[in-house]
Amino acid sequence: DQQVKQNSPSLSVQEGRISILNCDYTNSMFDYFLWYKKYPAEGPTFLISISSIKDKNEDGRFTVFLNKSAKHLSLHIVPSQPGDSAVYFCAASGRSGGSNYKLTFGKGTLLTVNP
Amino acid sequence: GAVVSQHPSWVICKSGTSVKIECRSLDFQATTMFWYRQFPKQSLMLMATSNEGSKATYEQGVEKDKFLINHASLTLSTLTVTSAHPEDSSFYICSARDPARGKETQYFGPGTRLLVL
Repeated sequence: DQQVKQNSPSLSVQEGRISILNCDYTNSMFDYFLWYKKYPAEGPTFLISISSIKDKNEDGRFTVFLNKSAKHLSLHIVPSQPGDSAVYFCAASGRSGGSNYKLTFGKGTLLTVNP
Repeated sequence: GAVVSQHPSWVICKSGTSVKIECRSLDFQATTMFWYRQFPKQSLMLMATSNEGSKATYEQGVEKDKFLINHASLTLSTLTVTSAHPEDSSFYICSARDPARGKETQYFGPGTRLLVL
């Protein structure tokens, strides 16, 4: 049972336009959400995160929106640049009976930004 | 800041041999490190959580006797794949949590590509 879902395996956007990456989750115990960017054969790079007590967090070109009632979050990148082309993973965290905050990842969305 | 390194970056070995992968936090002390594996076009799957000075906590379905984890210091965790077989071929990634940067965010190493012949 997949608790974090990224239903779009790929997304293609023109340079300068907005990229919107979506993520849905099913576990209401998740209280922290993160977005990671990953190039092939490299480890994920942390981009931005949001706590469940907020509905928006912004960092430069990246904004994450959280809709708790819909169990949905999205990552907006504006303006999109060719260097943003990568796989984007949505991850969720929730305390699981201990002091370790494990991350549950979605399957990722491949973003291609065309010049 | 929050740099995590892994060594080696790739390894090819014969079936039946053991392979050790190192994960280091370079500019912070990590009381907790995590080990993941990723198959092609799949998500990252958590294998185990490694706490400094104590035994690792393995996820369901992960054989602790096959994937030995040692977290001997606050900056080093090792994963040893014992008696490796071709089905163990995968991309192994570690991550570490920097307590100074929040308890939820994990910082990942560059990964280790393992190919077992």
